[in-house]
Amino acid sequence: AQKVTQAQTEISVVEKEDVTLDCVYETRDTTYYLFWYKQPPSGELVFLIRRNSFDEQNEISGRYSWNFQKSTSSFNFTITASQVVDSAVYFCALSGGGSQGNLIFGKGTKLSVKP
Amino acid sequence: EAGVTQSPTHLIKTRGQQATLRCSPISGHTSVYWYQQALGLGLQFLLWYDEGEERNRGNFPPRFSGRQFPNYSSELNVNALELEDSALYLCASSLEVSPPDSPQHFGDGTRLSIL
Repeated sequence: AQKVTQAQTEISVVEKEDVTLDCVYETRDTTYYLFWYKQPPSGELVFLIRRNSFDEQNEISGRYSWNFQKSTSSFNFTITASQVVDSAVYFCALSGGGSQGNLIFGKGTKLSVKP
Repeated sequence: EAGVTQSPTHLIKTRGQQATLRCSPISGHTSVYWYQQALGLGLQFLLWYDEGEERNRGNFPPRFSGRQFPNYSSELNVNALELEDSALYLCASSLEVSPPDSPQHFGDGTRLSIL
């Protein structure tokens, strides 16, 4: 069965702190995709990154970075020098196997960045 | 480029009624997905339409149904509404089957409240 676990339900940090959001996944597929989405209070899910199972290179985009490790089935997300605007719920997702099309989401981590 | 648009923003119904939610995908996207985000249950996959056909559905009863029109817009219909159907319903679209090449882009959602 496919599953995504985000063990951290809520995280609270002070502005400028670094914060890492954990994501652990389970799948039997050899080819799969992992995603991170951000959901601000307005409700819209904003796509942040996609990573395929054959690409284990870490990625950095501004203050955001992602660490993908197949050996531990993890795809962690780090925000460096957090800002108040980073406050949101962050979801990790796994592509459904084969041609199922759907995304399997974790429960989400609510990040609160305080000034 | 316009994003995924959903209407209405809010919908209030009573038990037993029927609800219709609408979604227009990003121009050029042929796949449309529906997800339910209920309190405490996270994001759950409902339906996937591609080229006018239902490709996959999640673990929801048959009273959840929908369709995709020739212009790729989509409707989600929920019959015999129950209190537990109260949730944010999110629509997403992608260029083609996701995976592998195109992430799903989400709309702002329709908040359905059952009284």
